[in-house]
Amino acid sequence: DAGVIQSPRHEVTEMGQEVTLRCKPISGHNSLFWYRQTMMRGLELLIYFNNNVPIDDSGMPEDRFSAKMPNASFSTLKIQPSEPRDSAVYFCASSFGGNQGNSPLHFGNGTRLTVT
Amino acid sequence: GNSVTQMEGPVTLSEEAFLTINCTYTATGYPSLFWYVQYPGEGLQLLLKATKADDKGSNKGFEATYRKETTSFHLEKGSVQVSDSAVYFCALSNTGNQFYFGTGTSLTVIP
Repeated sequence: DAGVIQSPRHEVTEMGQEVTLRCKPISGHNSLFWYRQTMMRGLELLIYFNNNVPIDDSGMPEDRFSAKMPNASFSTLKIQPSEPRDSAVYFCASSFGGNQGNSPLHFGNGTRLTVT
Repeated sequence: GNSVTQMEGPVTLSEEAFLTINCTYTATGYPSLFWYVQYPGEGLQLLLKATKADDKGSNKGFEATYRKETTSFHLEKGSVQVSDSAVYFCALSNTGNQFYFGTGTSLTVIP
């Protein structure tokens, strides 16, 4: 089990540039979550997918953020255009989600994004 | 609705001290409860879980008991080590596979 794999680990970009973060969930998991973590706001859920379908995107800050899951083994989170206030650590997590809610989340090591 | 409240940090303890981090929850139905630990520069890792009332989750010397009557899931360890220094998150999951996290409690253990 390779765990949840995120890339890149670090991203530094200039304001206005497009940023794409990538995630490979654990094989066999059918739910995927994107979180953002900052000192000020803590851990925030941005969006989650179930069986590749977005279920709840109410946490996506604004139209500059978009997420896709074209298949069960890959997801992207895109920010266009990026702004300094988007600087944070972005985590992807996956789980084998049934309706009972007793399957834990498995987190990747995150992408640290710095927008200058 | 569903929510998790955990004690404010930071918490600083001497090595071999007893640790308690309080966590209470509000939930509809019968949630599962989790403790996660985050070491610097890493993602959150599952520490332990409990899926029904009176269950006790345990791992690496940490324990937490699912108390439905007090809606609590307090994390305890009898003797902390420097390597336990991290941020600890309490979380619940309910039907529909939604997760709700507390704000995290930072623990520093000094030799």
